[in-house]
Amino acid sequence: GQNIDQPTEMTATEGAIVQINCTYQTSGFNGLFWYQQHAGEAPTFLSYNVLDGLEEKGRFSSFLSRSKGYSYLLLKELQMKDSASYLCAVMDSNYQLIWGAGTKLIIKP
Amino acid sequence: IAGITQAPTSQILAAGRRMTLRCTQDMRHNAMYWYRQDLGLGLRLIHYSNTAGTTGKGEVPDGYSVSRANTDDFPLTLASAVPSQTSVYFCASSDSLQGNEQFFGPGTRLTVL
Repeated sequence: GQNIDQPTEMTATEGAIVQINCTYQTSGFNGLFWYQQHAGEAPTFLSYNVLDGLEEKGRFSSFLSRSKGYSYLLLKELQMKDSASYLCAVMDSNYQLIWGAGTKLIIKP
Repeated sequence: IAGITQAPTSQILAAGRRMTLRCTQDMRHNAMYWYRQDLGLGLRLIHYSNTAGTTGKGEVPDGYSVSRANTDDFPLTLASAVPSQTSVYFCASSDSLQGNEQFFGPGTRLTVL
């Protein structure tokens, strides 16, 4: 079966750095996505990785290792507004997104 | 309209009733999707459409139907609602099925009693 695993909840301090991990087992691979979802709102796109390595976009970076079935999202200089759920999703061989359950990130002052 | 809109925002429905959730996008995207989101689970794909006139089944299609008469609209119908269909429903669209980014509507919170 297809499976996406990520921690249920993480806590970090304002101004710090946090790394959210995601491991996956899917039938085929056509890229890995990270989305941010604030409580009661729609998911919004953060990053897309299809090749191994690190993609940096401002305070957010995403890393992919296809051989290990592993990705992480790195958030730097954490702000209170970064409190949200972070969703990992893999596009399978049918170009359908398989979603993890999300990691709820709590930022403390 | 800017992006994707969904209606209604929320709805309480008696079991056995028919319900259509509406979704409209103004980005001229070819692909559209319906997901449900339940606590503790990832988003699950119900149905999708690659282009106007075509639809396909996702991971959890039973009890739901869709149509794609034109590019902009992608309604989701529950023919006879059951309590297990209580969920938050998100419509999304992308430039193509292989598109890099899916844009999501604000969601419809549906409760079936």
